[in-house]
Amino acid sequence: DARVTQTPRHKVTEMGQEVTMRCQPILGHNTVFWYRQTMMQGLELLAYFRNRAPLDDSGMPKDRFSAEMPDATLATLKIQPSEPRDSAVYFCASALTTQPRIRAHYNEQFFGPGTRLTVL
Amino acid sequence: GQSLEQPSEVTAVEGAIVQINCTYQTSGFYGLSWYQQHDGGAPTFLSYNALDGLEETGRFSSFLSRSDSYGYLLLQELQMKDSASYFCAVYPDTGRRALTFGSGTRLQVQP
Repeated sequence: DARVTQTPRHKVTEMGQEVTMRCQPILGHNTVFWYRQTMMQGLELLAYFRNRAPLDDSGMPKDRFSAEMPDATLATLKIQPSEPRDSAVYFCASALTTQPRIRAHYNEQFFGPGTRLTVL
Repeated sequence: GQSLEQPSEVTAVEGAIVQINCTYQTSGFYGLSWYQQHDGGAPTFLSYNALDGLEETGRFSSFLSRSDSYGYLLLQELQMKDSASYFCAVYPDTGRRALTFGSGTRLQVQP
C-alpha cells in the first residue's frame, strides 16, 4: 500500500557530526514537507517543496540545515554540524496538490514514520 | 501569525463522548484540520473543515465556526485505541502558506 518511508528510523550521533535523513514520498505526490517534533516546541514545519522546487525553508536554521529533492522520489534533510538541541523526531510528509486552489490538498498530508535523532 | 490553543489533556471513559476544542487567532485561513498521533507514531489526518459547520466521518466529527474563531473534534463511542494526541491545524491564506499545528491534546481513554 502507498505510504511515505523514511530512513533511518533511529540515529544516534555525536555533536559535530553530519546527519542525513531521507524520505520517499508517496508515488505521485508532488508536495513534500519536513517537520520536527519536540516536547517543548511541538510540531514545527522546517521546509517544503512542490514539484521538487523549494517553496519555503524559513523554519530551518540555514547555517546548519539543508533540504533538497534530488528527484521526485527522494527528499533529503541534512544537518551539518549537528548539535544536541537538534535532538527530535523528524517527520517527512507528502501531499498531492496538483490544484493549489483546492486547499484541502494542503490540509491532508501523509506522514512518514519519522526519524528519531539523538545528538550526544 | 497563527496561534492555536488546545487543552493539554482530556480524560474520558470507554463508550463516552468527548469534545476537544481548538481556539485560534489568525488573520485568515482556508480550513481547519485535525490529526491524530499515537505515542511513538506519526500524525494521521482525520478531518478537514473548509466551511462553517459539522463534518462527520464515522465516530469522529469536526466542527468549525469562523465567527467564533473556534473549532472542535468530537469523538463518539470512545474506544481504548482512541487514546492518542489530537492536533488541530490551519492553512493560512497569507504569509507562510503551510499548515500550522496546535500544541496538541492528549486524550486518555479509561476502561
